[in-house]
Amino acid sequence: DIQMTQSPSSVSASVGDRVTITCRATQNVAQWLAWYQQKPGEAPKLLIYGASNLQSGVPSRFSGSRSGTEFTLTISNLQPEDFAVYFCQQAHSVPLAFGGGTKVE
Amino acid sequence: EVQLVESGGGFVQPGGSLRLSCAASGFNFEDSAMHWVRQLPGRGLEWVSGLKWSGEKVGYADSVKGRFVISRDNSKSSLSLEMNSLTTADTAIYYCTKGKYQLLESPSEYWGQGALVIVSS
Repeated sequence: DIQMTQSPSSVSASVGDRVTITCRATQNVAQWLAWYQQKPGEAPKLLIYGASNLQSGVPSRFSGSRSGTEFTLTISNLQPEDFAVYFCQQAHSVPLAFGGGTKVE
Repeated sequence: EVQLVESGGGFVQPGGSLRLSCAASGFNFEDSAMHWVRQLPGRGLEWVSGLKWSGEKVGYADSVKGRFVISRDNSKSSLSLEMNSLTTADTAIYYCTKGKYQLLESPSEYWGQGALVIVSS
């Protein structure tokens, strides 16, 4: 099974900062990587799919990239509503594993 | 508007069974893979199970394989998860999710509000 390792587990940032979160797969998942945002008391929300495609309605300050089996979520110009937990998920093969999450605080 | 409404959560003793249901609306149910994803309170996410739009291809997490059964009824736009031999480790919020594609290997585009399952003696 493919495992996803996400880092860091938490990051302290301020409004206006640029935040980078990394996710690494134990095997090749090609472009089949998604990023989610979850706020307290809410269900997760899809931000990015296919490693770099922005889901409809998601602000352009969110972006995703891939380098081999390493994936990066970047939040440019962090806004107050972006303080949340972020998860990656590989959608290449079952079981569709999630990363452990990164709290942006 | 896409809506996914879970039901059937609750309290069950270890070794017991529970059936979760998900009523879907606002999209063509037959065009999407569907999944169950769970989250222990205050913890991370775990993909539990999913199935292709036609139901002919299914997948399970190793932690539930042989105990849980996923199914869908495209004529009723509904998804179910039959959970057997439950343990305390199955205590979690269970989310019904809509896959972005027809394929089983599909990220979760929309999520329900979740159903809480508590397994305890």
